[in-house]
Amino acid sequence: QVQLQESGPGLVRPSETLSLTCTVSGYSIISSYYWGWIRQPPGKGLEWIGSMYHSGSTFYNPSLQSRVTISMDTSKNQLSLKLNSVAAADTAVYYCARAPMLLGSGWYSPKNWFDPWGQGTLVTVSS
Amino acid sequence: QSALTQPASVSGSPGQSITISCTGTSTDVGNYNYVSWYQQHPGKAPKLLIYDVSDRPSGVSDRFSGSKSGNTASLSISGLQAEDEADYYCNSYSSSTTLVFGGGTKLTVL
Repeated sequence: QVQLQESGPGLVRPSETLSLTCTVSGYSIISSYYWGWIRQPPGKGLEWIGSMYHSGSTFYNPSLQSRVTISMDTSKNQLSLKLNSVAAADTAVYYCARAPMLLGSGWYSPKNWFDPWGQGTLVTVSS
Repeated sequence: QSALTQPASVSGSPGQSITISCTGTSTDVGNYNYVSWYQQHPGKAPKLLIYDVSDRPSGVSDRFSGSKSGNTASLSISGLQAEDEADYYCNSYSSSTTLVFGGGTKLTVL
């Protein structure tokens, strides 16, 4: 049974870097799946942040790409998220989730759906 | 990045059927059969209901069904139950942004 658990500071100061870790249990992140981050500001909708494959293939939301880095520690079966220069608008519940791979002719990318999801962690940006 | 368009709210009585629409463009919903739907109860993580337009993961009730016509995808729920009251989100693969979510729809069971 695949389980994902997000962890990290619940409070980040404006202009600093938000850092979160997603620990995956019951399944290896070295598999034919992408692993992604999605966030949800309080009372608002879902926003995809980015997804990564263990080969290093990474896709980011264009609106966040300049500030986001997603990485993996395969020895710890963990996915990480770094979002720099944060502001109040980055306050949100951050989820990690697994996504299947879309295979094309000579290319691959994450499919659009996520299952399962972690329980999420609230990060507040405030001084 | 423009979100897919969903109605802010829909409602129905127990036992009735409702449909939630999700409108995109020719670069996302209209161009790919990769639309998914999620159910989210307050304080909980989203749960996958439908993927690839109309496929249901194991364990999801067959009261939930998905379809697509042109640039609009739809989620239908039959035999409404009180437990169906939740927020519902669609998302789609996109040629321009890889993937995009809808703004969400609040379902109220009267």
